[in-house]
Amino acid sequence: NAGVTQTPKFQVLKTGQSMTLQCAQDMNHEYMSWYRQDPGMGLRLIHYSVGAGITDQGEVPNGYNVSRSTTEDFPLRLLSAAPSQTSVYFCASSQSGTGGYEQYFGPGTRLTVT
Amino acid sequence: AQSVTQLDSQVPVFEEAPVELRCNYSSSVSVYLFWYVQYPNQGLQLLLKYLSGSTLVESINGFEAEFNKSQTSFHLRKPSVHISDTAEYFCAVSVITGGGNKLTFGTGTQLKVEL
Repeated sequence: NAGVTQTPKFQVLKTGQSMTLQCAQDMNHEYMSWYRQDPGMGLRLIHYSVGAGITDQGEVPNGYNVSRSTTEDFPLRLLSAAPSQTSVYFCASSQSGTGGYEQYFGPGTRLTVT
Repeated sequence: AQSVTQLDSQVPVFEEAPVELRCNYSSSVSVYLFWYVQYPNQGLQLLLKYLSGSTLVESINGFEAEFNKSQTSFHLRKPSVHISDTAEYFCAVSVITGGGNKLTFGTGTQLKVEL
């Protein structure tokens, strides 16, 4: 199993550009999520999904869109990038249910917005 | 809402010395507790978790954490650290009822093991 994969590893955008961060998992996990990691702030939840066709907002959703058309894929879209979105982005997946399950993280995408 | 506090942003320690990384949480409902580790330029990996039962939980590489409900703490300890333990450690919680798998993370503690 490849686990959770993310592409690209690095990206530089200009303010106002759009892009999609890709995330895929091959563990048949229903639950997937996106976090951003900023120095001194830990990881903050952006959006999450409990299954195909179902998404919801996390703690910091503004400026980001998601969709979940398949169990395997959960892309994160930046419609108009801003310098405040410079961060490291992690995708994670886990079994779904009442909680307590291990979350498996991808290697991250380091995004710089100039 | 719940929150997690990791008061120590950096902890330097010599190899073979003991270490404790502190974690306190706040929640109006019962929570599950986790420690995740992040090695340089990698994603996070689960180190250990507390769901129920014995309040002392252990990892395969010698770390342990104890759930203290009265002090709302879940401190991570290791009696003798190795240079390979150098990493950032994150404490996290998820609510037991209605929270699903959503995690709330602390701000992390950078453990630096020196020779």
